[in-house]
Amino acid sequence: QQQVKQSPQSLIVQKGGISIINCAYENTAFDYFPWYQQFPGKGPALLIAIRPDVSEKKEGRFTISFNKSAKQFSLHIMDSQPGDSATYFCAASRGSGTYKYIFGTGTRLKVLA
Amino acid sequence: NAGVMQNPRHLVRRRGQEARLRCSPMKGHSHVYWYRQLPEEGLKFMVYLQKENIIDESGMPKERFSAEFPKEGPSILRIQQVVRGDSAAYFCASSLAQGRLNTEAFFGQGTRLTVV
Repeated sequence: QQQVKQSPQSLIVQKGGISIINCAYENTAFDYFPWYQQFPGKGPALLIAIRPDVSEKKEGRFTISFNKSAKQFSLHIMDSQPGDSATYFCAASRGSGTYKYIFGTGTRLKVLA
Repeated sequence: NAGVMQNPRHLVRRRGQEARLRCSPMKGHSHVYWYRQLPEEGLKFMVYLQKENIIDESGMPKERFSAEFPKEGPSILRIQQVVRGDSAAYFCASSLAQGRLNTEAFFGQGTRLTVV
């Protein structure tokens, strides 16, 4: 019940295309869902995050869609660029003020020039 | 303003030796979190510390692993008598406070531990 399932494991997208990464969770107590971007040899960096009272959040080319009833959320990267090539992790946490995240297993994105 | 600093970046230890991983949080941050990332896997929470206190160590193995965050100096993750299965990237994150409304956790670049 503590798992966050992420798919696909890897993704190849043409430059300018849309990259879509999906995550599903089971624990309805989760109330915070961030996405992290990680480049090789670097630590994860917060990309965008959403709470369950909102169905969509957009920041630049990055959008999170959230479906509370299905317990699913996804990251959409519009107009994907080669510089977006990285590993993306979804995560979830519960309770106020905790960073005890449950991370997904990651999606390795490659954007072809 | 320097980010979260972890050292060493790479650490090689023989089986049975001790590994000490250091994490200096961002300036002004008093909350530190350690995560472990096994190859091809997501990060797994290990321990949450505030200055001089362990708040939550539910993700840390009961044996051989310990963590501290003293009043002065960096947070230390200590692994005694390392085994090959301890080989992983260990990430530290820090935050200004425990809430999320006005802050976020920042991750360091990690320490990659290899046990030979």
